[in-house]
Amino acid sequence: EAQVTQNPRYLITVTGKKLTVTCSQNMNHEYMSWYRQDPGLGLRQIYYSMNVEVTDKGDVPEGYKVSRKEKRNFPLILESPSPNQTSLYFCASSPGTSGETDTQYFGPGTRLTVL
Amino acid sequence: KNEVEQSPQNLTAQEGEFITINCSYSVGISALHWLQQHPGGGIVSLFMLSSGKKKHGRLIATINIQEKHSSLHITASHPRDSAVYICAAATPDSNYQLIWGAGTKLIIKP
Repeated sequence: EAQVTQNPRYLITVTGKKLTVTCSQNMNHEYMSWYRQDPGLGLRQIYYSMNVEVTDKGDVPEGYKVSRKEKRNFPLILESPSPNQTSLYFCASSPGTSGETDTQYFGPGTRLTVL
Repeated sequence: KNEVEQSPQNLTAQEGEFITINCSYSVGISALHWLQQHPGGGIVSLFMLSSGKKKHGRLIATINIQEKHSSLHITASHPRDSAVYICAAATPDSNYQLIWGAGTKLIIKP
């Protein structure tokens, strides 16, 4: 089944404890992206990647890192999480290199709470 | 003023009603996306259009480029249509990013 998977789905952690949220797609998509969703603010893009080893900042990249060593995986790394990073996170992928003019496929979301 | 605005913010209707959700944008676009976010949180792409009209089942999306306006219509609405509907604009100079609307929360009562 074609899908985008994220793990974990739920995570409660403490300030400063490094964590990684994994994202994987099995559709051989070029473009991958991370979003966070907060009440009243809608979806905001954190980072995106147009291809392997090509990543760029979105609207809210502060406090996050990403890597794209393989086409299928695009992990989101929080080196030192803070409470303001408590949010619902979505990974998405799309076939071409320009995510804005392709249909995006979303993962199920990761609900992160930083205490 | 946001570059992509949706109306209404919230909409409650009875089962069977014809639903219209609006999306207005102030920038030139290359494509306009409509997505659905289920109550459980999952997000699904419904349509991507740059002109005219697209239909899938009971869902219809239209766009008027001159008026910078798009609508999502749901015919014969059903409680399972209850969700947040989000529009997002792709602009030629958006640097591979979408400009997101805030979403319209739709509740269909049986």
